[in-house]
Amino acid sequence: DAMVIQNPRYQVTQFGKPVTLSCSQTLNHNVMYWYQQKSSQAPKLLFHYYDKDFNNEADTPDNFQSRRPNTSFCFLDIRSPGLGDAAMYLCATSTSGTDTYEQYFGPGTRLTVT
Amino acid sequence: AQSVTQLDSQVPVFEEAPVELRCNYSSSVSVYLFWYVQYPNQGLQLLLKYLSGSTLVESINGFEAEFNKSQTSFHLRKPSVHISDTAEYFCAVSYLEDSNYQLIWGAGTKLIIKP
Repeated sequence: DAMVIQNPRYQVTQFGKPVTLSCSQTLNHNVMYWYQQKSSQAPKLLFHYYDKDFNNEADTPDNFQSRRPNTSFCFLDIRSPGLGDAAMYLCATSTSGTDTYEQYFGPGTRLTVT
Repeated sequence: AQSVTQLDSQVPVFEEAPVELRCNYSSSVSVYLFWYVQYPNQGLQLLLKYLSGSTLVESINGFEAEFNKSQTSFHLRKPSVHISDTAEYFCAVSYLEDSNYQLIWGAGTKLIIKP
């Protein structure tokens, strides 16, 4: 089945220690998104890639970076995690064109910062 | 500006009782409407969507939602809930802006099923 995969599902990191979360997709979608979701809140868009074009949300902290080496993979790098970065991180994909309105989500990675 | 409002942060309901989760939106342009469900410690799953055509849309697990343009609402209903429906439900609206689709979210409603 075509899907969005996130690894790991649970990640524990230490305060200030860089961490990378990964997302892969078999849907062949050209748009990929990273969201941060804190407990009992709606997802918050951090950035997205339209093909290789990177689009950063205005309020995304510089501490968060992303890489997309190819169509299938996208990474979220947190350079110096703080306690406030503990959250669920969700990856999503969509097509471009007339179907862009629908996003397909992965299972998420829950990040704990100790 | 577009916005989505889910007035109820939590909705407790007894098992086998009916439920309605409310969603209202504000938009000056045409929108597509979605309900996503999030089970504990899991990602978001699309429950149902309204794109065009019939204003009543249904999911495979008994939920339905009706698009009401005059009231700018897209409320989610189920006639008889099950304990397995315990989850958080998010209403979302997609609209076209500067040739790109934007997706905005409601704050979510936790559905709590009481035995």
